[in-house]
Amino acid sequence: ILNVEQSPQSLHVQEGDSTNFTCSFPSSNFYALHWYRWETAKSPEALFVMTLNGDEKKKGRISATLNTKEGYSYLYIKGSQPEDSATYLCASGKGAQKLVFGQGTRLTINP
Amino acid sequence: DADVTQTPRNRITKTGKRIMLECSQTKGHDRMYWYRQDPGLGLQLIYYSFDVKDINKGEISDGYSVSRQAQAKFSLSLESAIPNQTALYFCATSDTGQGADEQFFGPGTRLTVL
Repeated sequence: ILNVEQSPQSLHVQEGDSTNFTCSFPSSNFYALHWYRWETAKSPEALFVMTLNGDEKKKGRISATLNTKEGYSYLYIKGSQPEDSATYLCASGKGAQKLVFGQGTRLTINP
Repeated sequence: DADVTQTPRNRITKTGKRIMLECSQTKGHDRMYWYRQDPGLGLQLIYYSFDVKDINKGEISDGYSVSRQAQAKFSLSLESAIPNQTALYFCATSDTGQGADEQFFGPGTRLTVL
């Protein structure tokens, strides 16, 4: 069974500070790594989908890196803002679109 | 209008009742999924479908069934609801591509089984 782990489970960060969190996944038979942002009372929305070892993607103040050989991905948020408060989910899959999700990192930005 | 819709948004029911959750999409995607989310856990895949004639079990399919009536519709049924099926249920879609395409989620259905 594919096991996807995220750490930490929750995180409180002061507004303006930068932060990062981790997603670990089995490196064998790697297919793709997804990051989703899930705000309370809304639907999860895709941030990044990464497939290549060493890949680095960026969207505004948020970026992600991928290491498929050691089985981890980092999500970075630079200069946190209150609107960054959300649960960040990562997911990996062995087959086409059959994703296994981690339990999420709940991020709270303190004004 | 939302691309992926779910009905109902909230439902309270009793143990033993049959419940159907509906999902519709206007994205034209072939692939559709049903997930449940429990507090402290990630999204768990219940069933998925890659086209109208295709139904596949996910990680936690026991106690659930699905119907893919058309490309745009994918329904989840609980034949005899039990309290531990109380959860937030999400429908999602993705395009038929190389397999790494992002998934698009509906707004969720919060189900409570008493």
